[in-house]
Amino acid sequence: GQNIDQPTEMTATEGAIVQINCTYQTSGFNGLFWYQQHAGEAPTFLSYNVLDGLEEKGRFSSFLSRSKGYSYLLLKELQMKDSASYLCAASRGGATNKLIFGTGTLLAVQP
Amino acid sequence: DGGITQSPKYLFRKEGQNVTLSCEQNLNHDAMYWYRQDPGQGLRLIYYSQIVNDFQKGDIAEGYSVSREKKESFPLTVTSAQKNPTAFYLCASSAQGAGETQYFGPGTRLLVL
Repeated sequence: GQNIDQPTEMTATEGAIVQINCTYQTSGFNGLFWYQQHAGEAPTFLSYNVLDGLEEKGRFSSFLSRSKGYSYLLLKELQMKDSASYLCAASRGGATNKLIFGTGTLLAVQP
Repeated sequence: DGGITQSPKYLFRKEGQNVTLSCEQNLNHDAMYWYRQDPGQGLRLIYYSQIVNDFQKGDIAEGYSVSREKKESFPLTVTSAQKNPTAFYLCASSAQGAGETQYFGPGTRLLVL
């Protein structure tokens, strides 16, 4: 079957570090996307991991372990504007670019 | 500016009525997608198109129809057969091929009167 799991909600403090986990199970896996979505707005692309390991982009990093079906998004030096939902999405494989999305993790950054 | 536009931002549907949501992109992308987002659920794929004049059903296509007559445009019609249409509808586009990043429009919120 195809499935993605991520926590529903998380809370963190401004200036701190938070890690949002995602586990997935898909056939023909190609790679793992992370998107940020503020309430009522469009998801915006954060990162894409194809190979195992950590990809760093400024305050945001994303990790992938293909053998474990596991990814995480790491946010450093949290800011209030980072309060949003973070969506994990796995590429389903094959010739098409279909994705399966998790339900999203709503992150609340507190002062 | 390159991007994806959706209109309208809010749409109201009466019982038994068909409504059409617009999606236009000027990113020169071959592939386009329609998703539905409901509270507590992930984005679910309604229809997708990999190239002009071709489209495929996604996971929840019942009660919806699409067309792809132009590369830039991928309108979605919510028919009266869709019994629970209230949702946030998102259109996306990407280059063709697996692993290409999908870029999203601002969304249309559909409400039933």
